[in-house]
Formats: sequence, C-alpha cells, structure tokens
Amino acid sequence: QVQLQQSGAELAKPGSSVKISCKASGYTFTSYYISWIKQTTGQGLEYIGYINTGSGGTNYNEKFKGKATLTVDKSSSTAFMQLSSLTPDDSAVYYCARFWGALDYWGQGVMVTVSS
Amino acid sequence: DIQMTQSPASLSASLGETVTIECRASEDIYSNLAWYQQKPGNSPQLLIYDANSLADGVPSRFSGSGSGTQYSLKINSLQSEDVASYFCQQYNNYPFTFGSGTKLEIK
Repeated sequence: QVQLQQSGAELAKPGSSVKISCKASGYTFTSYYISWIKQTTGQGLEYIGYINTGSGGTNYNEKFKGKATLTVDKSSSTAFMQLSSLTPDDSAVYYCARFWGALDYWGQGVMVTVSS
Repeated sequence: DIQMTQSPASLSASLGETVTIECRASEDIYSNLAWYQQKPGNSPQLLIYDANSLADGVPSRFSGSGSGTQYSLKINSLQSEDVASYFCQQYNNYPFTFGSGTKLEIK
C-alpha cells in the first residue's frame, strides 16, 4: 500500500535550519510528484511547492521561495524539504503528499517548533 | 493567487442528517477541485477530486458537485465517524490554494 513516512518532530532555534524527510513506499516513486504543505491554526493549509521526483525539477509558491528548498533522492525514494532562517512564524506542521493535481496520499506530518 | 472561500466555518448536525459544505473560487477553476477530510490528530485524506469523482475507499455517502467558481461537498446520512474538518483545494492555477476549512460536529 502507498505510504509516505515523514521524519520526526523538530525543535529549532531562530535563525537555524531543519531538513525534513518523506520516504515513499508502495508505488513507483518517480511516477508521481511530491508536494509539501504547511498547516497552522492561524493560516490553515498553505501550499509550499512540489518536486518532480524524476528530474528533480521544482516549483515553489512565491511566498516560500528562499524559505524552503526541495530535493529528492531517487535511490532511497525519499523527498526532502529544508527550511532555512527559521522564525517563530515557521512553527507549523509540515506535510508531504503524493501529487498529480489532487493530493491523494499524505505523510503523517512533522511538527516544527521554532523557539529560543 | 486564487482565493477559495469556504462556508460555513463550523457546522453541527444530527446523526443521519445530510450536510452540505460550499466552496467558492475567486475565478473559474474548471472543476480542478478536491475535497479533503482531516480527523483530529491526523493528516488530511482525499475524498473527492475533479469536483465530483470519489477517491478510492471513500464511502458513497460523500459526493461532490459544482462547476466554474461554485462547488459543494455533500454528506448523506451523517455518521459519527464523519466528525472532522473538511477542506477544499483548487489545482487549476499555481500556487494551488485551500479553503479555510469547515469543522463538522455531531449535535
């Protein structure tokens, strides 16, 4: 069965970076793009961007350019998102999801807390 | 960016009732719309795609309709396991955007 297994919760200091992983299983990894989504209580769900898992090409929401960097390791069927120059506004749950337009399978989410 | 206006923000209904959630896009999204269900503590799950197609494994009491800028999700015969938040999402224009969500409770 299709599964997206994300890495564990992160506690980070302002100004630092974190790298979240999303390991796919149960399907051909390079046949679907991976999207990343941010969820907060205040802002709801925000689309960060997606990565073409075959070519590594990316498309970012303008709002997250410079904040998020998406990469992929085809050999391990894993997508990554690095968040840099963290501020308290980056505290959220971050999801990866398999994408073909709609988002049909989601990871369990990673809670990122930015605090000094 | 396309704005997705979802209503109502919260909804309380009795078991067995039919409920409808609406989503209005700020421009035509040509039925490129999905609905998701998110139960407390869980990640969202796809219910409906392409405005009216039921995702795999989703009970037939869920249905989607609409076109242009107006879309709706209907839940027939409300069950206790339907307590959740529901979100719409357009994937016609990038960046893809979500509605603000509807929290459904049982009366």
